[in-house]
Amino acid sequence: AQKITQTQPGMFVQEKEAVTLDCTYDTSDPSYGLFWYKQPSSGEMIFLIYQGSYDQQNATEGRYSLNFQKARKSANLVISASQLGDSAMYFCAMRGGKIQGAQKLVFGQGTRLTINP
Amino acid sequence: NAGVMQNPRHLVRRRGQEARLRCSPMKGHSHVYWYRQLPEEGLKFMVYLQKENIIDESGMPKERFSAEFPKEGPSILRIQQVVRGDSAAYFCASSPSGRIYEQYFGPGTRLTVT
Repeated sequence: AQKITQTQPGMFVQEKEAVTLDCTYDTSDPSYGLFWYKQPSSGEMIFLIYQGSYDQQNATEGRYSLNFQKARKSANLVISASQLGDSAMYFCAMRGGKIQGAQKLVFGQGTRLTINP
Repeated sequence: NAGVMQNPRHLVRRRGQEARLRCSPMKGHSHVYWYRQLPEEGLKFMVYLQKENIIDESGMPKERFSAEFPKEGPSILRIQQVVRGDSAAYFCASSPSGRIYEQYFGPGTRLTVT
């Protein structure tokens, strides 16, 4: 079965510093995708970034980049130049391929990021 | 271009009552997914529907929960005889045909059972 592990329940970072949120995954599907979502205190789920298992390059979206290390089965999120508005819960998620089902997302437990001024 | 809409945003029910949660997917999207988020946890998949069909309900509790996505109108997640353990945030997501890997989430419905 697919599994996502986020080992950092909480992180505290000074404003303007870079931060790395850890995510490891487990799957038997050769084809899969990895997502990061942000959930602010208001509760909505905001899509940040996506990485396909066959993508040659690491995904980037503005200040967000995904450090994809396939052999280690890790997909860490890097936020550069953190801002106070980055304080939120962050979830790593995976979709499967033909074996596990491409339709559903499996989520990790989340990391609560707090940016200090 | 409106996003995924869910209503109500907050719902309070007494134990034993029924809860109906509605989800209107984005325009042109024919795939709908429901997820449940318990406090301080990640989202858990419940069910995947296309118009008039349940495709995958492997995450749905066996009793009291049902979902539908009729030809016309929103998708409905129905919880009968609610219990305190049903208190959670319920999220709906939708995706377009041909790009089912892209899931756009609604704002969620927070159900509180008293």
